[in-house]
Amino acid sequence: KAGVTQTPRYLIKTRGQQVTLSCSPISGHRSVSWYQQTPGQGLQFLFEYFSETQRNKGNFPGRFSGRQFSNSRSEMNVSTLELGDSALYLCASSKIQGTWNTEAFFGQGTRLTVV
Amino acid sequence: DAKTTQPNSMESNEEEPVHLPCNHSTISGTDYIHWYRQLPSQGPEYVIHGLTSNVNNRMASLAIAEDRKSSTLILHRATLRDAAVYYCILRDRGIQGAQKLVFGQGTRLTINP
Repeated sequence: KAGVTQTPRYLIKTRGQQVTLSCSPISGHRSVSWYQQTPGQGLQFLFEYFSETQRNKGNFPGRFSGRQFSNSRSEMNVSTLELGDSALYLCASSKIQGTWNTEAFFGQGTRLTVV
Repeated sequence: DAKTTQPNSMESNEEEPVHLPCNHSTISGTDYIHWYRQLPSQGPEYVIHGLTSNVNNRMASLAIAEDRKSSTLILHRATLRDAAVYYCILRDRGIQGAQKLVFGQGTRLTINP
C-alpha cells in the first residue's frame, strides 16, 4: 500500500514568488491536512480538506491557501513568498473525517527554502 | 486548544524500557490522547492513542492516569531506531469535528548504544 506522497521533496524559491505543493493521500483516504514545521514554531496546523471542502483552518495569513480535488489529491499554494515561509511542509491523510479515534499518516514533506 | 506539557529531552539505553511522560491538565472529557513520533528527516508517525483505559500495540503501551490529567508512553525495550521526537497530542475536534493535530514541542529521545 503506497503511503502519502508529497512533491516536490525540495524547492528553492525567491521572495515574492508563489509556490504550489502537491500531496497524494493514501488510496481510500478522503481527509487531507497540511502542516508547517519550522525550528522556531514547531509543527503548526495549516488547514484540512475533506471531500473537496476546507473543514478547518489554522492561524495563517491568507497567502496560504489550498484545495482538494475529486480524487482526494490536494495542493497548497503560498503566494508572495517571504523568507519566514522557509519550512518543511507536511501533508497528512486520514481515512475518516470528523472523528478523533483515527490515525493520521504523514508524508515525508516538502522542504521549501525562500531566498 | 487543550495543551500538553512534555520534558524537552530524555535519554535512555538500548534494550531498556523508556517512560515518556505527558501532562494534560486541561483535557476535556472526550479528548483522545494521541502519540506520534518523528524520526530524523521524516514526517511524524503514529504510535498509539487512547481515551481512558491503558492501551497496548506492537510499538508501545500507553498508560493513562485515572483522572486523565497525565499519561505515559512506554517503550518496553528501546532500540536505536526509537531515537526520535515524541509528541503527545490531544485530538482537537475543531470546527465540525474536523481533524486537527495540535503539536507541542515534544520530547527528544536519545538512545545510547
